[in-house]
Amino acid sequence: SQQGEEDPQALSIQEGENATMNCSYKTSINNLQWYRQNSGRGLVHLILIRSNEREKHSGRLRVTLDTSKKSSSLLITASRAADTASYFCATASYNTDKLIFGTGTRLQVFP
Amino acid sequence: DAGITQSPRHKVTETGTPVTLRCHQTENHRYMYWYRQDPGHGLRLIHYSYGVKDTDKGEVSDGYSVSRSKTEDFLLTLESATSSQTSVYFCAISVAGGEETQYFGPGTRLLVL
Repeated sequence: SQQGEEDPQALSIQEGENATMNCSYKTSINNLQWYRQNSGRGLVHLILIRSNEREKHSGRLRVTLDTSKKSSSLLITASRAADTASYFCATASYNTDKLIFGTGTRLQVFP
Repeated sequence: DAGITQSPRHKVTETGTPVTLRCHQTENHRYMYWYRQDPGHGLRLIHYSYGVKDTDKGEVSDGYSVSRSKTEDFLLTLESATSSQTSVYFCAISVAGGEETQYFGPGTRLLVL
């Protein structure tokens, strides 16, 4: 069963705009991770945020985590055509070796 | 792709035949995972390994078996392939299980006719 659900399922924006994707999950987590997948390729790790953190930044990426609402958001600022990809959140519960992935958000950035 | 290779990259097979997919890593990571990716389902865990000869089931393990006789190799076997196992299969590795990042291989596209 899916732990994380991304919203929206698909997002289309123009270059230079910001893109925000949301992830909701159901049970307590140890950490939450965001991954990107370009068409036909494997997933690439973007950022990991632990349950005791509220916000993390990496370049143009900003991730927030609200454990009280069991939700996270990924913000990509000043988007580029190269950001076109699918974005997945994945959660890790405590005392587990596994990640559970959501179904992803497909982002299209038009030049 | 972080020292992870998958073979074959593409395979077409017939229903009822056994199929083995191989994942090979050069990173010496303890954990290895097999996922399948299907439209509308995201990635779903099939099996994973937390050490040589140590494996456990994932969410969608029926019809699949795995083996890990060496740290660097993790094999996924479809005992008798069915059309429902047509999918893209990804291998991933991790230093510390769910505690840390997973690194993914390039994937294997399997078509079962």
